Amino acid sequence: DAKTTQPPSMDCAEGRAANLPCNHSTISGNEYVYWYRQIHSQGPQYIIHGLKNNETNEMASLIITEDRKSSTLILPHATLRDTAVYYCIVRVGAGGTSYGKLTFGQGTILTVHP
Amino acid sequence: NAGVMQNPRHLVRRRGQEARLRCSPMKGHSHVYWYRQLPEEGLKFMVYLQKENIIDESGMPKERFSAEFPKEGPSILRIQQVVRGDSAAYFCASSPPTVSYNEQFFGPGTRLTVL
Repeated sequence: DAKTTQPPSMDCAEGRAANLPCNHSTISGNEYVYWYRQIHSQGPQYIIHGLKNNETNEMASLIITEDRKSSTLILPHATLRDTAVYYCIVRVGAGGTSYGKLTFGQGTILTVHP
Repeated sequence: NAGVMQNPRHLVRRRGQEARLRCSPMKGHSHVYWYRQLPEEGLKFMVYLQKENIIDESGMPKERFSAEFPKEGPSILRIQQVVRGDSAAYFCASSPPTVSYNEQFFGPGTRLTVL
């Protein structure tokens, strides 16, 4: 799986948009970008994933650059409960040899303050 | 639909004892994954199982650790002769057998403390 680089920490004011960047310059054509988060010491929570198109769901939006070498997770209206460690993960889809496991990096600690 | 269940949530063992961690995947999920999070460290993949098969155990320590996912019942992560360095949070995740991608659903974890 391709390596990802994320800033170690970010701050965001409550109610504002949180934009979390991720670099994955060695991403391959069949690799997806996944985002998970871990609130305090709970189990990680899936947020969103994408291949090449921008994606949006009820939690967040994922913007992937045209060359696919970086992406941004957007939480449109951050709340205090969004304070968590956010992980950007790149991995193959079904059929690849590493299909299955998720390789977590250090992630970005997002702190949402009042 | 109940989420992934893990028990016990907290487990205390003395050095040399055995630890058994259980994971019940979500209904309809046939893939189970185990991850370990050591204190102040990130999550590390341990093993990936399907019913009655170990698919990828590249993250499992070579000794004392084993995992199974029988045809009936929960997946079990077994740690024999525990040592203090095994103290960690152990998370289980499950996913459905979809074709194009899999989203892993995580349980609340089992916190193992070795005295």
